[in-house]
Amino acid sequence: DGGITQSPKYLFRKEGQNVTLSCEQNLNHDAMYWYRQDPGQGLRLIYYSQIVNDFQKGDIAEGYSVSREKKESFPLTVTSAQKNPTAFYLCASSTGTGAITDTQYFGPGTRLTVL
Amino acid sequence: DQQVKQNSPSLSVQEGRISILNCDYTNSMFDYFLWYKKYPAEGPTFLISISSIKDKNEDGRFTVFLNKSAKHLSLHIVPSQPGDSAVYFCAASARGNDMRFGAGTRLTVKP
Repeated sequence: DGGITQSPKYLFRKEGQNVTLSCEQNLNHDAMYWYRQDPGQGLRLIYYSQIVNDFQKGDIAEGYSVSREKKESFPLTVTSAQKNPTAFYLCASSTGTGAITDTQYFGPGTRLTVL
Repeated sequence: DQQVKQNSPSLSVQEGRISILNCDYTNSMFDYFLWYKKYPAEGPTFLISISSIKDKNEDGRFTVFLNKSAKHLSLHIVPSQPGDSAVYFCAASARGNDMRFGAGTRLTVKP
């Protein structure tokens, strides 16, 4: 089955600790994305990558870092610099062709709670 | 700057009736619009889309209408079923670039 996996589903961390969220896809998609969802708000783009070894900041990149060493993987690190890290994090991928009909497919999400 | 707005945070409908979810946008460059459905603790799943060259797209019980002059789109679900109860996100993109999402509308379909 092709799809996007995120692990873990729930994550708890102490304030001041860095934490890395995993995202893997076997859809052979070139583009991958990280979004954050907060109550009452739409999905906000953190980082995206259109090709291996390249990524760009989204709207709310401060306090986050990413890497894209493999096509299948796009891990997100929430650093201690992120002032309000508790949220639901969603990873997505798309073919990245740049066509206007390029649809994003989402993983199940990781709920991060910082205590 | 919220370029995509869903002004109704929630909607309750009786089973069998029509559900109408609304979405407004401000960026006239948007040329592709999508609706995603999201269950609790899961990622959004793609539901239906429409490009700006059309004003209607239908897929089974789901129809999306686009009014470009009003910068408004809506999702109609007919007939509504209890399994349709979820949060619905409207999304828009311009020339395949970054997608912008609305805040979502929670639909509850009562049996």
